[in-house]
Amino acid sequence: QIQLVQSGPELKKPGESVKISCKASGYTFTNYGMYWVKQAPGQGLQYMGWINTETGKPTYADDFKGRFVFFLETSASTAYLQINNLKNEDMATYFCARRDWYFDFWGPGTMVTVSS
Amino acid sequence: DIQMTQSPASLSASLGETVTIECRASEDIYNGLAWYQQKPGKSPQLLIYNANSLHTGVPSRFSGSGSGTQYSLKINSLQSEDVASYFCQQYYDYPDTFGAGTKLELK
Repeated sequence: QIQLVQSGPELKKPGESVKISCKASGYTFTNYGMYWVKQAPGQGLQYMGWINTETGKPTYADDFKGRFVFFLETSASTAYLQINNLKNEDMATYFCARRDWYFDFWGPGTMVTVSS
Repeated sequence: DIQMTQSPASLSASLGETVTIECRASEDIYNGLAWYQQKPGKSPQLLIYNANSLHTGVPSRFSGSGSGTQYSLKINSLQSEDVASYFCQQYYDYPDTFGAGTKLELK
């Protein structure tokens, strides 16, 4: 069955970096782009962008250009989200999701806490 | 970006009742709309895509309708397991945008 398994919760200080993984199984990894969605505590869903799993080319939504990096380890069917120079407003749960036109499978989310 | 205005923000209903949640897009999205259910501490789960197509395994009491800029999600015969937040998403135009969500509770 199709699964997206994400890495565990993270506690970081402002200015640090965090790397979140998303391992896919149950389908051909390179047949679907991998997308990232942010959900701040008690808030709605925010589209962050996606990475083309065939070419490795990332595309970032406007609010996520600069400190956010999407990359792949294709041999391990794994996508990564790295956030550099963490800020308080980065505290959120981050989901990876497979997208056809809509998001048909989601990872369980990775909670990132930013606290000094 | 296309703005998605979702209403109501919260909703209280009784078991067995029919509830309707609406999303209005800031421009025509040509049925490029999905609905998701999210339970506390869990990831969103796809319910409806292409405005009115039921995702595999989703109970038939869920249905979607609409066109142009106006879309709705209807839940017939509300069950206790339907207590959750619901989000709409437009995927017609880049970037995808989501409604702010509707929190559904039992009365």
